[in-house]
Amino acid sequence: QVQLQESGPGLLQPSQTLSLTCTISGDSIDYPNSYWNWIRQSPGRGLEWIGCFHYTGSTYPNPSLKSRISMSVDTSKNQFSLKLISVTAADTAEYFCSRGPTVVTPGDLWGRGTLVTVSS
Amino acid sequence: QSALTQPRSVSGSPGQSVTISCTGTSSDVGLYDYVSWYQRRPGKAPKLIIYGVTKRPSGVPDRFSGSKSGNTASLIISGLLGEDEGDYFCSSFAGRYTLILGGGTKLTVL
Repeated sequence: QVQLQESGPGLLQPSQTLSLTCTISGDSIDYPNSYWNWIRQSPGRGLEWIGCFHYTGSTYPNPSLKSRISMSVDTSKNQFSLKLISVTAADTAEYFCSRGPTVVTPGDLWGRGTLVTVSS
Repeated sequence: QSALTQPRSVSGSPGQSVTISCTGTSSDVGLYDYVSWYQRRPGKAPKLIIYGVTKRPSGVPDRFSGSKSGNTASLIISGLLGEDEGDYFCSSFAGRYTLILGGGTKLTVL
């Protein structure tokens, strides 16, 4: 059974860098037809797609976040990661990773999410 | 790029049908047949219930169906069951390798 599990710091301060990891079990991150997404949900802003990543290194960021995010993969650990710089309270949200067959959909498999709070 | 518009909440009695709308623009929902719907119950991972506007993944009951007209996609749940209660959200391809999601709708089964 394929599962995704997000992990993150839980709490961080404004201006810090958020680092999140999605660990995949039961599937391989370097499967050619798998595209890996980050999505977040906050009470005030609803659901927001952050970006998509393919193991070949192709990245598809949300234009509104492009200047602040980077995505990477560690194939040896079957993980992909998100970094979001210069966080503010507006970045407080539940963060999800998901797997899609292409870039046109978040896909059929999601993690349960990890809550990130930005507060001083 | 604004979020897709969904009603905050809908409700229905067991056995009834409910429709959840997802309104976008002619640049996303209206242009592409890449609308997906997800169900999320508290503490659980979102579950895909409709993709490609009308397609159901294996294992999803045929009580769930999807449609699209113009810039609005709809999720129809017929024969409501208590287990259908939860949050539902939509997503759409928006071109230029971007996705856009809805704000989410809370379904209450009365």
